[in-house]
Amino acid sequence: SQQGEEDPQALSIQEGENATMNCSYKTSINNLQWYRQNSGRGLVHLILIRSNEREKHSGRLRVTLDTSKKSSSLLITASRAADTASYFCATDANFGNEKLTFGTGTRLTIIP
Amino acid sequence: GAGVSQTPSNKVTEKGKYVELRCDPISGHTALYWYRQSLGQGPEFLIYFQGTGAADDSGLPNDRFFAVRPEGSVSTLKIQRTERGDSAVYLCASSLEGGEKLFFGSGTQLSVL
Repeated sequence: SQQGEEDPQALSIQEGENATMNCSYKTSINNLQWYRQNSGRGLVHLILIRSNEREKHSGRLRVTLDTSKKSSSLLITASRAADTASYFCATDANFGNEKLTFGTGTRLTIIP
Repeated sequence: GAGVSQTPSNKVTEKGKYVELRCDPISGHTALYWYRQSLGQGPEFLIYFQGTGAADDSGLPNDRFFAVRPEGSVSTLKIQRTERGDSAVYLCASSLEGGEKLFFGSGTQLSVL
């Protein structure tokens, strides 16, 4: 079963605009991670935020985490055509093991 | 090697056959994960190894699926009596520690005819 649900399922924006994706999850977590996937093959790690952090930045990426609402958001600023991909959140549930469970993904399309 | 290597990259087999999918993790990574991904879906957890032992195999769909990691490095996912519903991309990932940043291989596209 999927731990997380991304919202929206698909998003199309013009190049240069900002893109925001959301992730909701069900159980308490140790950390939450965001990954990008091009062409349906290997995923690439983007950023990790721990349960005691509220916001984190990496280049054009900004991630927020609200553990009270069990949700996270990923903001990509000044989008580029190369940002076109699927984006997934993954959670490390706070059960004492390190099983990482992925959400259903947001398909982002940047229109040049 | 520099990254996680999965072989073969594509595997076509007939219903009922046995297949093995191999994963070479990044050297020194103790944690190794297998996921399965169908078109348009997120990666579905199958099994997680910490060293040589399976720390969590709760995602294996049934007893036709089995995975090993005998020396704590290379892992093999084994599927017996394949069914058409097993067709998917099988992804392997490794990390220095469980639950931390994952490094993914390019996956094996399994097609069961």
